[in-house]
Amino acid sequence: DQQVKQNSPSLSVQEGRISILNCDYTNSMFDYFLWYKKYPAEGPTFLISISSIKDKNEDGRFTVFLNKSAKHLSLHIVPSQPGDSAVYFCAASGGSGSEKLVFGKGTKLTVNP
Amino acid sequence: DTAVSQTPKYLVTQMGNDKSIKCEQNLGHDTMYWYKQDSKKFLKIMFSYNNKELIINETVPNRFSPKSPDKAHLNLHINSLELGDSAVYFCASSHGASAMQFFGPGTRLTVL
Repeated sequence: DQQVKQNSPSLSVQEGRISILNCDYTNSMFDYFLWYKKYPAEGPTFLISISSIKDKNEDGRFTVFLNKSAKHLSLHIVPSQPGDSAVYFCAASGGSGSEKLVFGKGTKLTVNP
Repeated sequence: DTAVSQTPKYLVTQMGNDKSIKCEQNLGHDTMYWYKQDSKKFLKIMFSYNNKELIINETVPNRFSPKSPDKAHLNLHINSLELGDSAVYFCASSHGASAMQFFGPGTRLTVL
């Protein structure tokens, strides 16, 4: 029972263009959403988050959008850089035990020079 | 000055053996976690400790026993290893019960 889904296993974009990574969730109790970035042989690192009371959060080149009615969030990276190439995990928390993160399977982003 | 460290990074062992993975964090956090990333790449929480007390215990075989000697350490001991235990195990920590967690580099366990 996947409560957090990332339906695109991979995405390839050109340097300088926009990268859009998508995530859907099914549990309406989730109230906090995060994106983690993971390089090979390293642990995930926190990138950006959004609370369910907001619909947008921006941090430099990274923006996360939340559409609660559609249970959908997306991560926009503009402009994309080769160093952004990594696996991006969407995660959600909330309801009973807010520290329990539920992760998606990840999307591998490749930014081509 | 690694924030969350795990040892060993790689662990290859035979079925039936008992092994431990150690985790230490120097961030001053009071909550630590163990996650398992299986062959399908799902990262799933296994355990969570807050101030050395167990607060999350997902449906994990009781062959897995976490031990927290102090707030900075959370070790994972696995008895009678099985083929299906092969995975990457990640330790994480946070300040309080927080979704913003800091992860270690992972331990790749291979059971032959």
